[in-house]
Amino acid sequence: NAGVTQTPKFRILKIGQSMTLQCAQDMNHNYMYWYRQDPGMGLKLIYYSVGAGITDKGEVPNGYNVSRSTTEDFPLRLELAAPSQTSVYFCASSYSETSGTDTQYFGPGTRLTVL
Amino acid sequence: RKEVEQDPGPFNVPEGATVAFNCTYSNSASQSFFWYRQDCRKEPKLLMSVYSSGNEDGRFTAQLNRASQYISLLIRDSKLSDSATYLCVVNRGSARQLTFGSGTQLTVLP
Repeated sequence: NAGVTQTPKFRILKIGQSMTLQCAQDMNHNYMYWYRQDPGMGLKLIYYSVGAGITDKGEVPNGYNVSRSTTEDFPLRLELAAPSQTSVYFCASSYSETSGTDTQYFGPGTRLTVL
Repeated sequence: RKEVEQDPGPFNVPEGATVAFNCTYSNSASQSFFWYRQDCRKEPKLLMSVYSSGNEDGRFTAQLNRASQYISLLIRDSKLSDSATYLCVVNRGSARQLTFGSGTQLTVLP
């Protein structure tokens, strides 16, 4: 199993540009999450999904959108990049019918800089 | 008040030392508790879950006090490889959402 994979690893955007951060998991997890982590800070939840076709806002959803068309994929969309979105973005997944645990497994992260 | 509060440190300790980290949480409905470890510029990884009865995994011991809403992590016989940031994590009780503390930075010195 590859676990949780994210692409790209790094990206530099100009203000106003758009991009999609990709996230995929092969553990058959129902739940998927997007977090951002600013320097010296904890992770803040942007959006989450409890299954295909279902998404919901977390603490800091403004400026982002998500979709969940399949169990495996959970892309995060930035429509109009702003310097305040400079951060490290982590995707995570958790819970299957067999494991039934809250443990979240994280991807390696995407480092985004908006200039 | 933050949902999960940790002493940010940094904690600088010599090899072989014992070090303890504390964490408090505000949501009394929380049911699951964890310590995650995050190495510099890497993703968080589960170190251990925390149970009401307390639990131990090798050199690591975690304790939970529900009445005081307090979680602790004890590391004995510190190794250089223990240097990392330790995140206290608490669930929000719904949709398996987790709340992360800001982390406590540990550096183990030779």
